[in-house]
Amino acid sequence: DIQMTQSPSSLSASVGDRVTITCRASQSISSYLNWYQQKPGKAPKLLIYAASSLQSGVPSRFSGSGSGTDFTLTISSLQPEDFATYYCQQSYSTPVFGQGTRLEIK
Amino acid sequence: EVQLVESGGGLVQPGRSLRLSCAASGFTFDDYAMHWVRQAPGKGLEWVSGISWNSGSIGYADSVKGRFTISRDNAKNSLYLQMNSLRAEDTALYYCAKDMGSGWTGYFDYWGQGTLVTVSS
Repeated sequence: DIQMTQSPSSLSASVGDRVTITCRASQSISSYLNWYQQKPGKAPKLLIYAASSLQSGVPSRFSGSGSGTDFTLTISSLQPEDFATYYCQQSYSTPVFGQGTRLEIK
Repeated sequence: EVQLVESGGGLVQPGRSLRLSCAASGFTFDDYAMHWVRQAPGKGLEWVSGISWNSGSIGYADSVKGRFTISRDNAKNSLYLQMNSLRAEDTALYYCAKDMGSGWTGYFDYWGQGTLVTVSS
């Protein structure tokens, strides 16, 4: 199975900061990489699919990039509602999620 | 509005069985693949199983292969997960998730709120 590794595992930031989360695949997955946001007690929400396509209704401050094995999720200016856990997920083969990145308020 | 409502979870003893259901509404159910994804308490997300629109393509995580069976009834707009030989490590919140495609894109664009399965004696 393809393994997905996110970094960092946790991150403290302030409102207005620019934040980048990284996801690395154990082998090339082309652009078959998706990002989800999960808030406590809630279901995950799709933010970005196919590495860089913004899901409908998701604010434009979220963006994704990368291909092959290295990918990033960037939040250009953190808002209070963005503090959550973020997961990457590969859809190149049997779906696998990264371990998550917890984004906390500094 | 897309809605996915899971049911069937509960407390079950190791080795026993449970059947989860997911009732879908707000979209043309038989146009899309569907999946089950679980989350153990305090842990990350784990894909469990997926099924294409016509049940022609089915897949399972290695951790549940041979014990779990996914199925769907397009006439009833419903997705199911039959779970046999349950283990303590199957304890989790089980989410039903809609795929963006009819085949299997692996992009999960809508999720239910989950149903909790607890395996314990």
